[in-house]
Amino acid sequence: QKEVEQDPGPLSVPEGAIVSLNCTYSNSAFQYFMWYRQYSRKGPELLMYTYSSGNKEDGRFTAQVDKSSKYISLFIRDSQPSDSATYLCADLEGAGSYQLTFGKGTKLSVIP
Amino acid sequence: NAGVTQTPKFQVLKTGQSMTLQCAQDMNHNSMYWYRQDPGMGLRLIYYSASEGTTDKGEVPNGYNVSRLNKREFSLRLESAAPSQTSVYFCASSRGTSNTEAFFGQGTRLTVV
Repeated sequence: QKEVEQDPGPLSVPEGAIVSLNCTYSNSAFQYFMWYRQYSRKGPELLMYTYSSGNKEDGRFTAQVDKSSKYISLFIRDSQPSDSATYLCADLEGAGSYQLTFGKGTKLSVIP
Repeated sequence: NAGVTQTPKFQVLKTGQSMTLQCAQDMNHNSMYWYRQDPGMGLRLIYYSASEGTTDKGEVPNGYNVSRLNKREFSLRLESAAPSQTSVYFCASSRGTSNTEAFFGQGTRLTVV
């Protein structure tokens, strides 16, 4: 069963807060884990991807994967109003796979 | 720097009408995809083309056909539109050999009445 579960929110935080977004997955074959950001009425854009357990940082964003518990997270430090968007987690079985499995997305609002 | 371009951006169809959604990418990507996005359902893959000359069904292919016209272009056709096909449609592309980064178009908002 290829499912990715994600709390749809909405999540509302004050500017400057640390945001934690989470997904769980059920397919042990998933090897690659991605976070996409989607602004209203726009297409998704890739934020980060990782293929191993542990943390990956990119500026204010940290992606965390725990394969033993099938749990993936995205942390946003010093959140800004421009971070207000829907965040989608996505999983991929392997480098040769073409079918991304997306979570349903969490809508985040950062209040100035 | 166009990336992935979809046309049209908006469309209203009557039940039973047909139409083709166009998609073109200028990144020399091998693989292209069509997704639909519905409230509460997330993004679901309709069809994909791993490389020029090949197409494969995704999760929700019924009611749709695709054509990979050349390496740049991948079209989605609705032969007889139904209200259940009201959705936002996204085209995407990726290099293909390691599909860890898909680039999405801006979407087509389709309403079937």
